[in-house]
Amino acid sequence: AQKVTQAQTEISVVEKEDVTLDCVYETRDTTYYLFWYKQPPSGELVFLIRRNSFDEQNEISGRYSWNFQKSTSSFNFTITASQVVDSAVYFCALSEWRSSYKLIFGSGTRLLVRP
Amino acid sequence: GAGVSQTPSNKVTEKGKYVELRCDPISGHTALYWYRQSLGQGPEFLIYFQGTGAADDSGLPNDRFFAVRPEGSVSTLKIQRTERGDSAVYLCASSYDRAGELFFGEGSRLTVL
Repeated sequence: AQKVTQAQTEISVVEKEDVTLDCVYETRDTTYYLFWYKQPPSGELVFLIRRNSFDEQNEISGRYSWNFQKSTSSFNFTITASQVVDSAVYFCALSEWRSSYKLIFGSGTRLLVRP
Repeated sequence: GAGVSQTPSNKVTEKGKYVELRCDPISGHTALYWYRQSLGQGPEFLIYFQGTGAADDSGLPNDRFFAVRPEGSVSTLKIQRTERGDSAVYLCASSYDRAGELFFGEGSRLTVL
């Protein structure tokens, strides 16, 4: 069965702190995709990243970085030097190769960045 | 507009009524999806269209829910005999291909009284 777990329901940090959002997934497929989406108060989910299961290289995009570890089935997301505009709900998601169109989302982590 | 457009943004209805939610995807996107998001939860897959046909409707909760995309562009999610448990935000997304980046609309918030 496929499952995505985001154990952190809510995180609160002060601006400029680094913060890591955890994501643990379960799948029996060897080929799958992992995603992170951001949902600001407007409600529209914004795509951040997609990784496939064969690419374990960590990725950095500006203040954002992602750590994919197959050994622990984790795909964690770090924001460096957080800003108030980073406040949102962040979702990790999984799709399997045979049904790559179907995203299975975690329950999300609400991040509050205080000035 | 350039993004995915959903109407209405808010819909309040009474139990037992019929509701239609509309989604206008990004031009040129052949894939269209509907998801449902309950309060405090992640979105849950409902249905996937490739062109005009529903390629996978396994996420529709029961036969009160139906979706169409007759011309391969705009889609309508139809809910018959609404129940209080149908209250949620219904999200539409589109993409260029089935495994690509999904572009979401802002959702239609349905409240069933």
